[in-house]
Amino acid sequence: GAVVSQHPSRVICKSGTSVKIECRSLDFQATTMFWYRQFPKQSLMLMATSNEGSKATYEQGVEKDKFLINHASLTLSTLTVTSAHPEDSSFYICSAEGFSGNTIYFGEGSWLTVV
Amino acid sequence: QKEVEQNSGPLSVPEGAIASLNCTYSDRGSQSFFWYRQYSGKSPELIMSIYSNGDKEDGRFTAQLNKASQYVSLLIRDSQPSDSATYLCAVIDTNAGKSTFGDGTTLTVKP
Repeated sequence: GAVVSQHPSRVICKSGTSVKIECRSLDFQATTMFWYRQFPKQSLMLMATSNEGSKATYEQGVEKDKFLINHASLTLSTLTVTSAHPEDSSFYICSAEGFSGNTIYFGEGSWLTVV
Repeated sequence: QKEVEQNSGPLSVPEGAIASLNCTYSDRGSQSFFWYRQYSGKSPELIMSIYSNGDKEDGRFTAQLNKASQYVSLLIRDSQPSDSATYLCAVIDTNAGKSTFGDGTTLTVKP
């Protein structure tokens, strides 16, 4: 079964609103979680890396004020897309890495459609 | 040069053949190596992990690691159409706290 759970799997929101996506590690404590965005037929694009209890590290070109990441516990990280626009519509995927750093598991992904 | 490079695809093999996917990495401190499979519209799923030099076999999949050459590969024997997907190579340097993914190689297995 899944060891990383992501919710919601699909969400539609109106332009200008905010939407929150949750990523939970189910069987282990995740010191580090990663958030990706993937457009159709394109590679995964790393957006940010979050470590529990500290601020996320964003990749170049990713607006940290638009994509708010909170990693409040060792089992939960959230991504909030603020003031969403149609161009933010994409497949958002999280992954989690355990203490030993010996495995990374992906969540099921969340399809965001902004209308 | 990218930190993790994979064969530029797409790769096409006939059903029953061996598919060979290659990955090179630049960080010599890397200790953990992974292959993920991603079907279109789905999230990546872990199919193989390897941590020491040599071969690791799991069913039809064999991962090969050569740290001296900074090379990791994935062989898929008796390829099936259901193996058609994008395969991602990932490398973790635990000491540096860094994980890096390749861009992926798309494999098509033709019936």
